[in-house]
Amino acid sequence: AQSVTQPDIHITVSEGASLELRCNYSYGATPYLFWYVQSPGQGLQLLLKYFSGDTLVQGIKGFEAEFKRSQSSFNLRKPSVHWSDAAEYFCAVGSNQAGTALIFGKGTTLSVSS
Amino acid sequence: GAVVSQHPSWVICKSGTSVKIECRSLDFQATTMFWYRQFPKQSLMLMATSNEGSKATYEQGVEKDKFLINHASLTLSTLTVTSAHPEDSSFYICSARDGGISGNTIYFGEGSWLTVV
Repeated sequence: AQSVTQPDIHITVSEGASLELRCNYSYGATPYLFWYVQSPGQGLQLLLKYFSGDTLVQGIKGFEAEFKRSQSSFNLRKPSVHWSDAAEYFCAVGSNQAGTALIFGKGTTLSVSS
Repeated sequence: GAVVSQHPSWVICKSGTSVKIECRSLDFQATTMFWYRQFPKQSLMLMATSNEGSKATYEQGVEKDKFLINHASLTLSTLTVTSAHPEDSSFYICSARDGGISGNTIYFGEGSWLTVV
């Protein structure tokens, strides 16, 4: 079955500390992987995506993610978290076929403490 | 760059009435659009896949007679919630795939808040 698992429902990180959000996927085809961020009451903003090539992907706002095929993981990282990073983060997986939708994980809520 | 626009951003309707949400791809043609639903503090659940010129494909458990989807052109898909009830109140988000020069990128609309009173 195709699925995305985000094991951590809620994470609290001190401002300035590093962050890692976990994402594991199960997908039958070659996966296209995405991380989105959503602020309360807002739509989705794409942080980064992986299609192929270098397995370490750089995104916006200082985020990066590493694709590890052997672990079926695509963890999101940031070396120093800012208070404005507090939001909901969603990992998603899809394929390169035009007619297929993204499958989303349940999301991880990030809180940033001062 | 390519943008997907949803309208309205928020709507309040009376129970029993119908409401239409539009999803437009502004800079590209989208043969396929997707409709998601998101309950508060939950993830996005795929409702249906909207195909231009043909019937939408609905996910299991989604009532196709209640959530009417029309994809009449390559840039417009509409979701109509018919005979809305309070339990239909939710955040609805559409997405579209640009398989052209943007490199097979998926774009999301800003979402539409529906409140049924």
